[in-house]
Amino acid sequence: AQSVTQLGSHVSVSEGALVLLRCNYSSSVPPYLFWYVQYPNQGLQLLLKYTTGATLVKGINGFEAEFKKSETSFHLTKPSAHMSDAAEYFCAVRDPTQGGSEKLVFGKGTKLTVNP
Amino acid sequence: GAVVSQHPSRVICKSGTSVKIECRSLDFQATTMFWYRQFPKQSLMLMATSNEGSKATYEQGVEKDKFLINHASLTLSTLTVTSAHPEDSSFYICSALTPLNTEAFFGQGTRLTVV
Repeated sequence: AQSVTQLGSHVSVSEGALVLLRCNYSSSVPPYLFWYVQYPNQGLQLLLKYTTGATLVKGINGFEAEFKKSETSFHLTKPSAHMSDAAEYFCAVRDPTQGGSEKLVFGKGTKLTVNP
Repeated sequence: GAVVSQHPSRVICKSGTSVKIECRSLDFQATTMFWYRQFPKQSLMLMATSNEGSKATYEQGVEKDKFLINHASLTLSTLTVTSAHPEDSSFYICSALTPLNTEAFFGQGTRLTVV
């Protein structure tokens, strides 16, 4: 079974500082990995995803993540935080061998606060 | 990206009544949709997988008679919470899988409050 662990339920940074949100996964096969952002009372928006190929993935809003197989990690980073980045972030994993089903397993989420 | 519309965004209902939530893929056909439930300050819990033209597949512990799912067309799936009780109050989110199953897009969610 697959699982996702997001270290730190809350992360607080200053505006302009580096954002680092941690995600580790457990999977018996090379997984597909995703980061989603959720603003209050809204659905989820895909930030970026890793399926195959280049392990450094760039997404929207200046975010990027690097797939490190040896560390089973997919940490999300952004060089300079903006106030509008304040939201809940979810890491998710999918088993690509599940043909025909995008069944995602989500981490518990990390709430990012950006201080002025 | 593709658009998934969920309606209503908020609903308040009396205990014992039923509530229907709609999930529509506006610009693509989705043979597969998913329904999630999210408790306050927690992650998303997959409730069921909705497949067009066939019965939904429910996750373990989810009452299929309580949460009725219908996926009658390639652009619409509905979740009906039957005989709602206060403990059913939650945030419900749907997602729709694009053709070729390349990506899932999420609706904006429905905040259900049962009083």
